[in-house]
Amino acid sequence: DTEVTQTPKHLVMGMTNKKSLKCEQHMGHRAMYWYKQKAKKPPELMFVYSYEKLSINESVPSRFSPECPNSSLLNLHLHALQPEDSALYLCASSQVQGGGIYGYTFGSGTRLTVV
Amino acid sequence: QKEVEQDPGPLSVPEGAIVSLNCTYSNSAFQYFMWYRQYSRKGPELLMYTYSSGNKEDGRFTAQVDKSSKYISLFIRDSQPSDSATYLCALRPSGNTPLVFGKGTRLSVIA
Repeated sequence: DTEVTQTPKHLVMGMTNKKSLKCEQHMGHRAMYWYKQKAKKPPELMFVYSYEKLSINESVPSRFSPECPNSSLLNLHLHALQPEDSALYLCASSQVQGGGIYGYTFGSGTRLTVV
Repeated sequence: QKEVEQDPGPLSVPEGAIVSLNCTYSNSAFQYFMWYRQYSRKGPELLMYTYSSGNKEDGRFTAQVDKSSKYISLFIRDSQPSDSATYLCALRPSGNTPLVFGKGTRLSVIA
């Protein structure tokens, strides 16, 4: 299995809702990442987990809350989002933090719309 | 000056053309150089990965790194409409520092 699977593919949520994005990989990778990508922009790093511990938080607002329950799963909990948070949210994984010799494997993303 | 500069395009070429995509960087600590391809509404996929100056070839794709000039390139030979996508360069130093992405270049190959 050489994939990173993200669910749901699309999500529409109100500003008062609580929702979660899920990411799963079975490649034995020990680093997992959340990125945010706006249209026609490169991915922006949000969080990095290394060996299931939060390693990097790029000053992301607290309305985004990451969780890594085990080495294969990564969640992003969303609460009280703003319309400007609408974006493609990408999960990625790599052998080790930084990428190792094979770089990152990205999922197809969750397209989030906040209304 | 941004760490990684990449012309966002868009770049439009006829089918069969040779395409040259480029990035420049300012941080001499960058040691690993990647090119990702991203189709519309999809996640980026790793296309080429190199960690030394010189050329690396994979089918119709050639990645070129010139560390002395801090310049990397991706060449696509015999371009196809299926190559139409956004191409992102991504660089990182050694160790566990995350990737730094370029802005991406939007490429359209016209049949």
